[in-house]
Amino acid sequence: DIQMTQSPSSLSASVGDRVTITCRASQGINNYLAWFQQKPGKAPKSLIYAASSLQSGVPSKFSGSGSGTDFTLTITSLQPEDFATYYCQQYNSYPLTFGGGTKVETK
Amino acid sequence: EVQLLESGGGLVQPGRYLRLSCAASGFTFSSSAMSWVRQPPGKGLEWVSSISGSGGTTYYADSVKGRFTISRDNPKNTLYLQMNSLRAEDTAIYYCAKGRDGGWNGGDSWGQGTLVTVSS
Repeated sequence: DIQMTQSPSSLSASVGDRVTITCRASQGINNYLAWFQQKPGKAPKSLIYAASSLQSGVPSKFSGSGSGTDFTLTITSLQPEDFATYYCQQYNSYPLTFGGGTKVETK
Repeated sequence: EVQLLESGGGLVQPGRYLRLSCAASGFTFSSSAMSWVRQPPGKGLEWVSSISGSGGTTYYADSVKGRFTISRDNPKNTLYLQMNSLRAEDTAIYYCAKGRDGGWNGGDSWGQGTLVTVSS
């Protein structure tokens, strides 16, 4: 199985900050990587697929990059509604696997 | 607008069974791969199972293989998860999610979830 390691597991940031979350795969997954946002008590929301393609309706302050084993999610100009937990997922092969999550908290 | 509405969760004793349903609307259900993802209380997301649009191909996490069965009724636009021999560690919110472009491909829409609690 492919292991997905996210870092950091949590971070503190302020409104207006630029935030970067990393996700590393235990083996190459091409660009078959998705990012999800989850707010407390809510269902996950799909943000990015194919490592860098934004889902419809997702604002351009979210961006993804990477290929192979190393990926990043960047949020520019953090807003109050962006404080949430973010997960990566590889879909290069089954079983699909998620990273452990990164909680973005208010500083 | 894509809508996914899960139902069937509840409190069940260890060793018993439960069937979850996910009613889909707003898209061509038979053309879309679907998945179940779960989240134990206070923990992260765990993929459970996926099924192709036709229903002919299925995949399972090792933790549920042999106990859970994913299926779909395309004329009824409904996805199912039959869960047998339930264990305490199956306690979680179960989400159904829609794939994109014919496969999973990272998915694009999620239901609101249904809570399954396995306890005596």
